[in-house]
Amino acid sequence: SYELTQPLSVSVALGQTARITCGGNKIGSKNVHWYQQRPGQAPVLVTYRNSNRPSGIPARFSGSNSGNTATLTISRAQAGDEGDYYCQVWDSRTSVVFGGGTKLTVL
Amino acid sequence: QVQLVESGGGVVQPGRSLRLSCAASGFTFSDYGMHWVRQAPGKGLEWVAGIWYDGSNKYYPDSVKGRFTISRDNSKNTLSLQMNSLRAEDTAVYYCARDLEAGSTFVLDYWGQGTLVTVSS
Repeated sequence: SYELTQPLSVSVALGQTARITCGGNKIGSKNVHWYQQRPGQAPVLVTYRNSNRPSGIPARFSGSNSGNTATLTISRAQAGDEGDYYCQVWDSRTSVVFGGGTKLTVL
Repeated sequence: QVQLVESGGGVVQPGRSLRLSCAASGFTFSDYGMHWVRQAPGKGLEWVAGIWYDGSNKYYPDSVKGRFTISRDNSKNTLSLQMNSLRAEDTAVYYCARDLEAGSTFVLDYWGQGTLVTVSS
């Protein structure tokens, strides 16, 4: 089955840039989507198909995908960006696959 | 605005059944695929079912195939999840989520607030 690997936690200073990675075998050949989940809330789609942003998501959120790693980049990090972030792909054998999630802390 | 409101959660004994519902509003329900995703306490997200806009195609992971059934009633703007032979490991918050398009792109662009299912004797 296809697996996605994320770091358990990432810390970033207020106003700096955070990068959250998502590793998978040849993930660059797949479309990767990212979700933000603030504490006690439902997930929110922040980027889809590698680098597209839904309406209402700030341009500070951007995605990239190449080789065996996809990356969500959050520029000018704010306190409100804290929460868990999940990458997700669709795989022909496993169907929908989520990464284990990364807890983002803004210091 | 898009609203998805889940209901039907609660405490159920192992081996019993439960049916979840999701009431959709703020968009043309019959134009979009829909999904159920769950999250066990303190754990990550797990997709459990998906259905096309017209109900013609349904998808499940192996962990629930044969036990869970997704369905929709486009006349009532309602998505359902019938869960049979429940196990302790099915304990989770269950989210209803909309697909980006009519089929199944498996991009989940709007989510409800979830309903908690606890399987315990």
